[in-house]
Amino acid sequence: DTAVSQTPKYLVTQMGNDKSIKCEQNLGHDTMYWYKQDSKKFLKIMFSYNNKELIINETVPNRFSPKSPDKAHLNLHINSLELGDSAVYFCASSQDAPLTGGTDTQYFGPGTRLTVL
Amino acid sequence: QKEVEQNSGPLSVPEGAIASLNCTYSDRGSQSFFWYRQYSGKSPELIMSIYSNGDKEDGRFTAQLNKASQYVSLLIRDSQPSDSATYLCAVNFRGSTLGRLYFGRGTQLTVWP
Repeated sequence: DTAVSQTPKYLVTQMGNDKSIKCEQNLGHDTMYWYKQDSKKFLKIMFSYNNKELIINETVPNRFSPKSPDKAHLNLHINSLELGDSAVYFCASSQDAPLTGGTDTQYFGPGTRLTVL
Repeated sequence: QKEVEQNSGPLSVPEGAIASLNCTYSDRGSQSFFWYRQYSGKSPELIMSIYSNGDKEDGRFTAQLNKASQYVSLLIRDSQPSDSATYLCAVNFRGSTLGRLYFGRGTQLTVWP
């Protein structure tokens, strides 16, 4: 049983293309996240959705657009891909923080390694 | 400025030793602290969470939090080669959206047999 799954695992594409990464969680969590991990392993949050509502929107180029069709899914669409977008993108989920009284454990998906040529 | 600092390492210890990983953060009012382990090519997985000053133990792992010194550490007792990984410290800063974690750059640990 995969708790947080992402597709595809690897994505190789040319500069200027548009691509999407999909994420699904079966943990019943209310909050989902997208992170970017660069070549130096620095993990940085990009977006977060709680019950389909955007709650964290970091300073990310507007070429990146998240979409949450329901609380179990959070997709990431990237337009006009650039070389600097090459990284590993992780999806994560957590239980609704207010219910636990604090920031809860985040469970990460396996990652999508994006290579832009 | 919200910052989480870790020594990048690599930290190398022999099997059976205690590995000590350190993390400092910039806001004394922060509430939630996490240690994640990340094997090469894999995703981060939670090792420990700690919210109050003092020690929290879970098996061979002990997290130590000192809010006055803005310091959180992870001790791994009886280190095993399977503990070789990058350890990420994460903080939810005061005033940040709940769930908004700031990560350090990680400390690479190698345990040699």
